[in-house]
Amino acid sequence: QQQVKQSPQSLIVQKGGISIINCAYENTAFDYFPWYQQFPGKGPALLIAIRPDVSEKKEGRFTISFNKSAKQFSLHIMDSQPGDSATYFCAATTIFTSGGSYIPTFGRGTSLIVHP
Amino acid sequence: DAGITQSPRHKVTETGTPVTLRCHQTENHRYMYWYRQDPGHGLRLIHYSYGVKDTDKGEVSDGYSVSRSKTEDFLLTLESATSSQTSVYFCAISPVGDPTYEQYFGPGTRLTVT
Repeated sequence: QQQVKQSPQSLIVQKGGISIINCAYENTAFDYFPWYQQFPGKGPALLIAIRPDVSEKKEGRFTISFNKSAKQFSLHIMDSQPGDSATYFCAATTIFTSGGSYIPTFGRGTSLIVHP
Repeated sequence: DAGITQSPRHKVTETGTPVTLRCHQTENHRYMYWYRQDPGHGLRLIHYSYGVKDTDKGEVSDGYSVSRSKTEDFLLTLESATSSQTSVYFCAISPVGDPTYEQYFGPGTRLTVT
């Protein structure tokens, strides 16, 4: 059973456009939602993360929107650049209600291509 | 970059042979993880460790074993490699207790089983 569903699987955007990647989860106990960025040939790296007590978090051109009632969260990349071309993974975990264990569940990833 | 290395970086092996992948960290982080990455499947957890000699299974642990005898090293062993274990393997570490709860990933090991 896939606990975190990510869409779309691939996304093509023109330079300057907005890239939107969506994730939906099932486990209402999840309380920490990170996004990771992975460039070809590299390991994933943390991009931005959110806790469910806020509805939005922004860092530069990257914004996470969180809808607790719908059990959905999304990554928005404003003014997308060719350098943003990468694979993006959402994840979810129960960190604050599980006694400190940290076992994230990852979505299947979105391959983003930003055309110049 | 977090102090995490994986060895080997590339390996080709034959079906039925044992293979051991090594993850080494210099950060003294408590949690260590092994993932495999395959097209269409994202990152799937194989095993993880929350301390020396403390390990547990992930969602795709069949055919894999792990050991952690020192804080800095986490070994993944494929007991008898099969073609279905051809994949890219990533090790990750996390302090768990740091406010960001970030996972730091290694550069990956590309394993091909022929």
